[in-house]
Amino acid sequence: DQQVKQNSPSLSVQEGRISILNCDYTNSMFDYFLWYKKYPAEGPTFLISISSIKDKNEDGRFTVFLNKSAKHLSLHIVPSQPGDSAVYFCAASAGTGANNLFFGTGTRLTVIP
Amino acid sequence: SAVISQKPSRDICQRGTSLTIQCQVDSQVTMMFWYRQQPGQSLTLIATANQGSEATYESGFVIDKFPISRPNLTFSTLTVSNMSPEDSSIYLCSVVASGNTIYFGEGSWLTVV
Repeated sequence: DQQVKQNSPSLSVQEGRISILNCDYTNSMFDYFLWYKKYPAEGPTFLISISSIKDKNEDGRFTVFLNKSAKHLSLHIVPSQPGDSAVYFCAASAGTGANNLFFGTGTRLTVIP
Repeated sequence: SAVISQKPSRDICQRGTSLTIQCQVDSQVTMMFWYRQQPGQSLTLIATANQGSEATYESGFVIDKFPISRPNLTFSTLTVSNMSPEDSSIYLCSVVASGNTIYFGEGSWLTVV
């Protein structure tokens, strides 16, 4: 059973506009959430994270929002750039260690110049 | 963060053969992990590479198929044994470098023919 879900396999956005990538989770014990970006033939790159004690974390063009009651998080990219085109994975953990880290299936973002 | 180097980055392997993937980290880390990403799927944890003891495997993965070595705190290998086309995948080494954030190597893309 998938504990972290990214229901949109793909998203296309015009350059300069906002990209919103969504992620839902089912396990209420998750207390740390991460977003990774992955280019083809490369390993995932850590982007941004948020702990469950916060509802927003911002880093440059990237902002992650967490809605614990809805078990939902989103990644906002503003403004979107063609170099942002990649697959974005949402991940959630309940404790330390990779065996407690669960990944979504990814959303492929295409930013159109 | 940590700089993680993997080799080979890509290989085409014959069915029934074995291939060893190497992972080198630029700093000593306690926790190293091996993931797999099959085409179109999310990242799946294979095992935790423990320094000085046997690796800890996740459900569905066994030592005979994926033997792992971890001779020191900066290096690990994963062997994919007796390969079949179903083993065609990206294999990723990862470490926990700060808090609960996992960083990935560039990945090793294996195609079994």
